[in-house]
Amino acid sequence: AAGVIQSPRHLIKEKRETATLKCYPIPRHDTVYWYQQGPGQDPQFLISFYEKMQSDKGSIPDRFSAQQFSDYHSELNMSSLELGDSALYFCASSPPSTSGGPYEQYFGPGTRLTVT
Amino acid sequence: AQSVTQLGSHVSVSEGALVLLRCNYSSSVPPYLFWYVQYPNQGLQLLLKYTTGATLVKGINGFEAEFKKSETSFHLTKPSAHMSDAAEYFCAVTPAAGNKLTFGGGTRVLVKP
Repeated sequence: AAGVIQSPRHLIKEKRETATLKCYPIPRHDTVYWYQQGPGQDPQFLISFYEKMQSDKGSIPDRFSAQQFSDYHSELNMSSLELGDSALYFCASSPPSTSGGPYEQYFGPGTRLTVT
Repeated sequence: AQSVTQLGSHVSVSEGALVLLRCNYSSSVPPYLFWYVQYPNQGLQLLLKYTTGATLVKGINGFEAEFKKSETSFHLTKPSAHMSDAAEYFCAVTPAAGNKLTFGGGTRVLVKP
């Protein structure tokens, strides 16, 4: 079965650089979520999109922005990177509510971002 | 607002022994509850979920969990631990479909031979 695809899997950037993380949801899933997991921490919700519109926003820094495109893939853009941005970034997707539920989120393998 | 508390950041069990991971939540509405497992350097894999109906839910790899509304708990158990169960386990809650997940702090399970 198709899974959530994230690219790149690993990314090394220097402080003040920018990074773009990509997420390709499971086909026919209409909601995409982004989470950040710092070292030894639980995943924290950043932002979500439903049908290409932002649906919820969590603790996402102003330096970060995201969008969902017409093909439902999503990109997380991160600017002015800081050392504290080093983390594992997960994308998850969930199917349409009309599919009958229970709408669990399916997670991708994550992108490990290291800021040096 | 919702929150999830997992008692014990580390649990050590012997192979073949009972695995019990505790999860308590707070939510203003009846929540959907999930347990995810994360192996080193990997993503989150859904173990099991509770939405409505039967309060005892069975998941993959022999795990099960029981939703107890009166105790606001959703503890995860497995009767007999296997070496392959060594991983980190996260309890998560969401108030409704299509909403963000709020995770507990995670419990790292070590299985001793």
